[in-house]
Amino acid sequence: DVVMTQSPLSLPVTLGQPASISCRSSQSLEYSDGNTYLNWFQQRPGQSPRRLIYKVSNRDSGVPDRFSGSGSGTDFTLKISRVEAEDVGVYYCMQGTHWPPITFGQGTRLEIK
Amino acid sequence: EVHLVESGGGLVQPGRFLRLSCAASGFTFDDYAMHWVRQVPGKGLEWVSGIGRNSDSIVYADSVKGRFTISRDNAKNSLYLQMNSLRAEDTALYYCVKGDWFDDWGQGTLVTVSS
Repeated sequence: DVVMTQSPLSLPVTLGQPASISCRSSQSLEYSDGNTYLNWFQQRPGQSPRRLIYKVSNRDSGVPDRFSGSGSGTDFTLKISRVEAEDVGVYYCMQGTHWPPITFGQGTRLEIK
Repeated sequence: EVHLVESGGGLVQPGRFLRLSCAASGFTFDDYAMHWVRQVPGKGLEWVSGIGRNSDSIVYADSVKGRFTISRDNAKNSLYLQMNSLRAEDTALYYCVKGDWFDDWGQGTLVTVSS
């Protein structure tokens, strides 16, 4: 199984400041079709997860452009250029390249300092 | 707008069974694979099972293989999860999820396995 490791697990950020979350996979997520199936999800308190980014860097409709995804191979990053209050929650990376099973990172809890 | 509404959760004793349902609307159901993902309250996400558009491909996490059965009825725009031989560690919020790339999620239905 592919292990997804996120860091940090807790991320206190000042409003308006940038934030960055790392996600590392135990093997390369590049698939034979040339795509890399790495997604990012946001889970606000009391809500279901919501996809933010798919295939490493593609932002979903309605996701603010302050969110961006990057990376390749085994190293990926979710960046928030300027954190807003509504960004509080837990962020998960997920790989869909080598499955079953589909695997998630442990989650990174973003809070306002 | 996509809507995924799970139902069927509840309190059940260890060893018993439960059947979850997910009613889908707002998209062409049989154009998409579907998945179940669970989450112990306050903890992370665990993929449980997935099914192809025409039920041609079905996969399970090792933790539920042999106990859970995923199915779908495209005529009724519905996804199901039959959960047998339930264990305390199956206690979680179960989400119905649309698409191979987890485009949309339901609100979840809570399953509690306890005597």
